[in-house]
Amino acid sequence: NAGVTQTPKFQVLKTGQSMTLQCAQDMNHEYMSWYRQDPGMGLRLIHYSVGAGITDQGEVPNGYNVSRSTTEDFPLRLLSAAPSQTSVYFCASSYSIGSPYNEQFFGPGTRLTVL
Amino acid sequence: KNQVEQSPQSLIILEGKNCTLQCNYTVSPFSNLRWYKQDTGRGPVSLTIMTFSENTKSNGRYTATLDADTKQSSLHITASQLSDSASYICVVTPRDYGGSQGNLIFGKGTKLSVKP
Repeated sequence: NAGVTQTPKFQVLKTGQSMTLQCAQDMNHEYMSWYRQDPGMGLRLIHYSVGAGITDQGEVPNGYNVSRSTTEDFPLRLLSAAPSQTSVYFCASSYSIGSPYNEQFFGPGTRLTVL
Repeated sequence: KNQVEQSPQSLIILEGKNCTLQCNYTVSPFSNLRWYKQDTGRGPVSLTIMTFSENTKSNGRYTATLDADTKQSSLHITASQLSDSASYICVVTPRDYGGSQGNLIFGKGTKLSVKP
């Protein structure tokens, strides 16, 4: 099992550009989520999905879109990049959020810089 | 507002020494409390998960305790090693009164440095 994979590892964008951060998991997990991590702050939830075809907004969804066409993939789209979106982005997955013992697995992260 | 506060923000200890990290939360009711270890440049990795009815959970040299009455948790690291240098994050999952779980609430983490 590769676990949770993310690409790219690093990305530099100019303001106004768009891009897609890729996330895939091979554990047949229902629940997938995207977080951003900024210095001095805890991880903040951007969007999440409880299964293929179902997505919902988290704490900081503005400027981001997601879709979930398959169980395995959960891409995050930046529509028009802004310097405030400079951050480290983590994708995570778990069987569900229903069981109290569900372990959430995180990907290695994508470090994004917007100039 | 549901919050998770961790202390200290950072900590430096010598290799072989023990240390204890603190987590206070206002999330109520909650389903479970987790501790994660995050190495620099990597994603968080789960250390322990405790439900609201559990008091302690161990994972090797890591022991987490939970006092649901005072809404406090601690992570004790025994006989620290250089590889313990990392950020340690406390995470609480809220539970609504219907029993459904909400999304995780993360603390800002404690950065631990273990020196030789």
